[in-house]
Amino acid sequence: RKEVEQDPGPFNVPEGATVAFNCTYSNSASQSFFWYRQDCRKEPKLLMSVYSSGNEDGRFTAQLNRASQYISLLIRDSKLSDSATYLCVVNNWGNQFYFGTGTSLTVIP
Amino acid sequence: GAVVSQHPSWVICKSGTSVKIECRSLDFQATTMFWYRQFPKQSLMLMATSNEGSKATYEQGVEKDKFLINHASLTLSTLTVTSAHPEDSSFYICSARPGRIAEKLFFGSGTQLSVL
Repeated sequence: RKEVEQDPGPFNVPEGATVAFNCTYSNSASQSFFWYRQDCRKEPKLLMSVYSSGNEDGRFTAQLNRASQYISLLIRDSKLSDSATYLCVVNNWGNQFYFGTGTSLTVIP
Repeated sequence: GAVVSQHPSWVICKSGTSVKIECRSLDFQATTMFWYRQFPKQSLMLMATSNEGSKATYEQGVEKDKFLINHASLTLSTLTVTSAHPEDSSFYICSARPGRIAEKLFFGSGTQLSVL
């Protein structure tokens, strides 16, 4: 079983739509969780850290469900510029970072 | 946020040559740096973990004699692809974390390697 599993998509949504991604992780002892955004042929950039209490940054909301071992990312009022691949990243301990395969999002005019 | 500089951005080389890629942490000391490879439409694949002053730890299936990693200082790690072949063509990215307990990873801008 993979450490982190993520639906690769693609998700094609119209502008203004709300879209949600989920990511599951296998190690219940995982400590830190993140969402990164990666544009084609670019490096991943940190979008949000994910906390049990949930956190929101503008149109983006991230949540962690430890009981079910998944994290989610919700994007409201999608913009064309949101088109990218979204990676979930899980840190177990020390140097062990695990990446999901990424979910491709295309926002259509 | 922290800045990680990686260069070169693009490399085109002939088969059999060696290519060195540099990864620098510009405003923090990175005790640990990571090297990844990413093929088109695939996820990042961790190649090795580089610790300052000690040997790198390679992931299973990654040839340590082909992908030489040197982390001689707290701000610089290098990846050398020795005797590159067309199948080594890929996007290589480094990342670094400030300190041993820092959570977040900061990524270099990546190097697109094309071996002819």
